[in-house]
Amino acid sequence: DIQMTQSPSTLSASVGDRVTITCRASQTISTWVAWYQQKPGKAPKLLIYDASSLESGVPSRFSGSRFGTEFTLTISSLQPDDFATYYCQQYSSYSTFGQGTKVEIK
Amino acid sequence: EVQLVESGGGWIQPGGSLRLSCAASGFTVSSNYMSWVRQAPGNGLEWVSVIYSSGRTYYADSVKGRFTLSRDTSKNTLYLQMNSLRAEDTAVYYCARDQTLTDYWYFDLWGLGTLVTVSS
Repeated sequence: DIQMTQSPSTLSASVGDRVTITCRASQTISTWVAWYQQKPGKAPKLLIYDASSLESGVPSRFSGSRFGTEFTLTISSLQPDDFATYYCQQYSSYSTFGQGTKVEIK
Repeated sequence: EVQLVESGGGWIQPGGSLRLSCAASGFTVSSNYMSWVRQAPGNGLEWVSVIYSSGRTYYADSVKGRFTLSRDTSKNTLYLQMNSLRAEDTAVYYCARDQTLTDYWYFDLWGLGTLVTVSS
């Protein structure tokens, strides 16, 4: 099974900060990675797919990148609506998710 | 409106069975790949099962042999039959859509989820 190791588990930040979340895959998975945002009591929302493609309707402050087996979600300027938990997902072989990163107010 | 609505969750004793439903509107279930993804309380996301447009199904090892995914095209509804339930199956169960129609699934539409609690 492919494991996705996500870090950090919690991140404290302020509005306007640049935020970076990382997932490392246990093996090569090309660009088969998506990123989701989840707020308490709500379903996940797709932000990024194929490592760096922005889902329609998602603000351009969200971006994704890949370097080898390391994948990064970046929020260029954190907004009040962005405080949430973020998950990566690999879909190279079946599907597995990272453990999540909670972005909280500093 | 394009949406997914899950139902059928509840409290069940270990070893029991439950059938979850996921009703779709605004698109055709059988033309997409549809999955169930679960989230144990306070935990992360775990993919459970997928059904392809062809009808082929795949399961996570944790539920293989106990869960069965099916669909009713006349009702545009997805079902997850869960047997031999265990405490570790306790979770919110989401149905989710994948539109890629390939072996590489990501989920662009999710339902609100239904809670399954397995406890004596």
